[in-house]
Amino acid sequence: SQQGEEDPQALSIQEGENATMNCSYKTSINNLQWYRQNSGRGLVHLILIRSNEREKHSGRLRVTLDTSKKSSSLLITASRAADTASYFCATVQGGSEKLVFGKGMKLTVNP
Amino acid sequence: NAGVTQTPKFQVLKTGQSMTLQCAQDMNHNSMYWYRQDPGMGLRLIYYSASEGTTDKGEVPNGYNVSRLNKREFSLRLESAAPSQTSVYFCASTWEKRAFFGQGTRLTVV
Repeated sequence: SQQGEEDPQALSIQEGENATMNCSYKTSINNLQWYRQNSGRGLVHLILIRSNEREKHSGRLRVTLDTSKKSSSLLITASRAADTASYFCATVQGGSEKLVFGKGMKLTVNP
Repeated sequence: NAGVTQTPKFQVLKTGQSMTLQCAQDMNHNSMYWYRQDPGMGLRLIYYSASEGTTDKGEVPNGYNVSRLNKREFSLRLESAAPSQTSVYFCASTWEKRAFFGQGTRLTVV
């Protein structure tokens, strides 16, 4: 079964609003990552947070990690129509190179 | 910079036919991966290779074989294609755990 599970599965917001996506996972991890996929394209890496980190920022992205709850959240501030895409969380299990993804969630930002 | 290159981009197979999906990366990455993407299922890991000469099963390896030919190339083989293998296949390589993806191969098995 897949490691990560994003929530909600779909989100529709207006431009300028913030978007929050959550990811829950099952086993201990080395790190957790978020990726974006535009329709029909390969995934693009957004941000990585290590298991000993609690929060990380990159531009308009903010990621938090709670290892006690096995969950992470991705916040996109001041969203733009160009942020419309599918977003995936992915985890690397401790001590391995095995990179597994969740089912993804679809974000629609309306202009 | 080519990054991760997958060939072919599209393929239609008849049930029972075999084929090999090719993947090559020019970034000197150690680890390479094959995923399949189906509607509502996200990306599922088929096989991965942590380094040249090693391969490991992922979440859905049945019906597939892989070869890590050298550090650059990681191929995925379907020996006897089935309609359930209709999917979009992605190859990826990682640098410091961050994955770089190819553009995908859209495979239809009829």
